Amino acid sequence: DTEVTQTPKHLVMGMTNKKSLKCEQHMGHRAMYWYKQKAKKPPELMFVYSYEKLSINESVPSRFSPECPNSSLLNLHLHALQPEDSALYLCASSLTGIGQGWEPQHFGDGTRLSIL
Amino acid sequence: AQSVAQPEDQVNVAEGNPLTVKCTYSVSGNPYLFWYVQYPNRGLQFLLKYITGDNLVKGSYGFEAEFNKSQTSFHLKKPSALVSDSALYFCAVTPRTNAGNNRKLIWGLGTSLAVNP
Repeated sequence: DTEVTQTPKHLVMGMTNKKSLKCEQHMGHRAMYWYKQKAKKPPELMFVYSYEKLSINESVPSRFSPECPNSSLLNLHLHALQPEDSALYLCASSLTGIGQGWEPQHFGDGTRLSIL
Repeated sequence: AQSVAQPEDQVNVAEGNPLTVKCTYSVSGNPYLFWYVQYPNRGLQFLLKYITGDNLVKGSYGFEAEFNKSQTSFHLKKPSALVSDSALYFCAVTPRTNAGNNRKLIWGLGTSLAVNP
């Protein structure tokens, strides 16, 4: 079992819908990440929160809006998505901020998102 | 540009045989090196990392990796493959010379390992 929990596991939404993805970890990690992954491709970094502050936004379209309510929770709010946004969305965490490059990241099992 | 190469899209090996999944990198300095595995319908799992010290690193599930500085390689190995090792394997590096937010993972494109019974 993974220590990073993502909900829901699957999500189907229309292009006009608003939905949210949720990620939770209780390992005391202070950095949390959102990635987008297409089938059989490496994950693409979207956002990084370090100590509950947004530290990296990889020029992600504004239809994706991250939120970090506390050190254990990370949300990704979705609005007006496009079909090309269909992918596996992965959450990850690491002990401290991204600046400690030797720390491994711990991934959840992802939310498989389909845009109709 | 800094990059990570996994030269084989797919590796096939018979169960019980040794396996090697190759990774080379083009990154300045001495980067931190990682292997992750992704089983079907799962997220990525950390296998092992190299920071410094012994060139042979041992990790989870019987995997090990050998760091070769002169060849800028970090090949993943296992002495005896299991069918359950069939998965997608990613090599990733973090440049050591970068600082702060620039220490993002640089990923290889992945190698699909199939272990045949």
